[in-house]
Amino acid sequence: DSGVTQTPKHLITATGQRVTLRCSPRSGDLSVYWYQQSLDQGLQFLIQYYNGEERAKGNILERFSAQQFPDLHSELNLSSLELGDSALYFCASSVGELIGYGYTFGSGTRLTVV
Amino acid sequence: AQTVTQSQPEMSVQEAETVTLSCTYDTSESNYYLFWYKQPPSRQMILVIRQEAYKQQNATENRFSVNFQKAAKSFSLKISDSQLGDTAMYFCASFLGGATNKLIFGTGTLLAVQP
Repeated sequence: DSGVTQTPKHLITATGQRVTLRCSPRSGDLSVYWYQQSLDQGLQFLIQYYNGEERAKGNILERFSAQQFPDLHSELNLSSLELGDSALYFCASSVGELIGYGYTFGSGTRLTVV
Repeated sequence: AQTVTQSQPEMSVQEAETVTLSCTYDTSESNYYLFWYKQPPSRQMILVIRQEAYKQQNATENRFSVNFQKAAKSFSLKISDSQLGDTAMYFCASFLGGATNKLIFGTGTLLAVQP
């Protein structure tokens, strides 16, 4: 157990629907990062939050949004889902904003859009 | 643009042998960090080893070591005494400093350890 908790582990939903992925960072970590891993795109950075504030944004679609709550857990909202959104979504956390010591990853949420 | 390149999509090694996975990167920053992550069939991403660019000494973690060539922007991973449990996808990643706060990942090398 890495200490980063992601729920649910698996999610199957239909096109056009909206889902919410949840992440609880490792105790003491203030930064949360979201990544999308698909077969053809590899690991793509989506967004980072630090202590409740957005810090960095990657190639995140407008249909996707995220937030980090006062208790430091984070949610990634995916709406108007398309078949191409099927992927493994990882959350990772680190102590500070800068990541000299790397991330600790959760076990991921596998999203299947049918 | 800052990039990380892994040119070996797949590799195979016999159990107990040594294997080296290659990674190159591109950055204009002077201070940065490099990492190797392992993703076994369970899909969990596991940090294997890290290297700070300002340290000339190569990092080692048990059977895992790196060959960090800063001038050549090369960061290879050597796995000694390969074990069946080392079978996984290996990703090279970098925090290249500057304005970005993200880790940039290579496309991965799938390593198969054969009995």
